[in-house]
Amino acid sequence: GDSVTQTEGLVTLTEGLPVMLNCTYQTIYSNPFLFWYVQHLNESPRLLLKSFTDNKRTEHQGFHATLHKSSSSFHLQKSSAQLSDSALYYCARLAHNTNTGKLTFGDGTVLTVKP
Amino acid sequence: AQTIHQWPVAEIKAVGSPLSLGCTIKGKSSPNLYWYWQATGGTLQQLFYSITVGQVESVVQLNLSASRPKDDQFILSTEKLLLSHSGFYLCAWSLMGNERLFFGHGTKLSVL
Repeated sequence: GDSVTQTEGLVTLTEGLPVMLNCTYQTIYSNPFLFWYVQHLNESPRLLLKSFTDNKRTEHQGFHATLHKSSSSFHLQKSSAQLSDSALYYCARLAHNTNTGKLTFGDGTVLTVKP
Repeated sequence: AQTIHQWPVAEIKAVGSPLSLGCTIKGKSSPNLYWYWQATGGTLQQLFYSITVGQVESVVQLNLSASRPKDDQFILSTEKLLLSHSGFYLCAWSLMGNERLFFGHGTKLSVL
């Protein structure tokens, strides 16, 4: 069935270091749609990145991710972490067997960036 | 411009009391609507979705129900709250199956 796995529940970094948050997915469909949502403290989630093209890098606000169907991965990366990047990050994939827009979310990764 | 409004912003309710949370979307016709729940420190869990007026599909009920009485309105309710209902309730909309979700500001519910 559909599932999304984020292996790290909590990531703590020092400002300026690179960020990599892991995301892998399981699906029987050949064309997955993957998303990264970010939720800052006391705010609602908002879309950060999305992709449905294999091996194409997508970027936004300094973050980037590449969908790799060969490894079923959509890892989120940033070259240099900022204090304001501290937030909860969700990887999600769209369920393709319906037209409902149903997203399957991973458990989320809390990113804490320290000075 | 599209707007999504959730009410109330926060609620403190007693166990066993009824609950009604509302969500209104303006500026888009026939959106897909969703209710999500987020326990404190927990992940996002989809509860219900609706692709048209009067039609609601349950994903995880948690002793809650949802209704879509109008094209732009989505209601989440229960007759008897449980302690486990505490958390953050988010309404969201999208236009098509492959489009992004737009979340409302959410309702923080505390059941005591």
